[in-house]
Amino acid sequence: AQKITQTQPGMFVQEKEAVTLDCTYDTSDPSYGLFWYKQPSSGEMIFLIYQGSYDQQNATEGRYSLNFQKARKSANLVISASQLGDSAMYFCAMREDDYGQNFVFGPGTRLSVLP
Amino acid sequence: DARVTQTPRHKVTEMGQEVTMRCQPILGHNTVFWYRQTMMQGLELLAYFRNRAPLDDSGMPKDRFSAEMPDATLATLKIQPSEPRDSAVYFCASGLPPGLGIGEQFFGPGTRLTVL
Repeated sequence: AQKITQTQPGMFVQEKEAVTLDCTYDTSDPSYGLFWYKQPSSGEMIFLIYQGSYDQQNATEGRYSLNFQKARKSANLVISASQLGDSAMYFCAMREDDYGQNFVFGPGTRLSVLP
Repeated sequence: DARVTQTPRHKVTEMGQEVTMRCQPILGHNTVFWYRQTMMQGLELLAYFRNRAPLDDSGMPKDRFSAEMPDATLATLKIQPSEPRDSAVYFCASGLPPGLGIGEQFFGPGTRLTVL
């Protein structure tokens, strides 16, 4: 079974608008971390934002915020005021703390920001 | 500005040849990860090390792949013999344990391997 699901292979958003990238996860571990990474066309993986399973508040980092709904096991990434430079692949990943430090990555969502 | 470095950035080789990829983790990071990224399979964990000891290499084809950390500043991934299906981008990442932070992984720029 897939541990991380990203149901949107591709998304389009108009510049300056907000966009939500979906991520659902599957775990029975009570302690886990959720991460979002950005991979632009240059190929590097850039860490964006983190949400711990025990965090009470949704994480925010600048224009990035995480809509964490624990009961639904979803951790959607919200990008506000999209910029052309936001065009990239976005990966959701999970670390299950009972299983060490390795991550499981989702298949990714390709975001295209339109001028 | 601490970064993970990987060499070579690009490698083209012929089937059957040995390929060695190198990674220098960020100084002070005690965990190192090797990933392979392909269009079909996405990002797959091949192996990871903590304090230079291999903790999990279940994602790695054992007959042809090997991963080592000869010292804390160098991790290597070797393929011998290489096959066309090994063509992919290989990423190295390093990090600290979650107890010392959030446990994010810092990725290198990757090695793009093409096996003809």
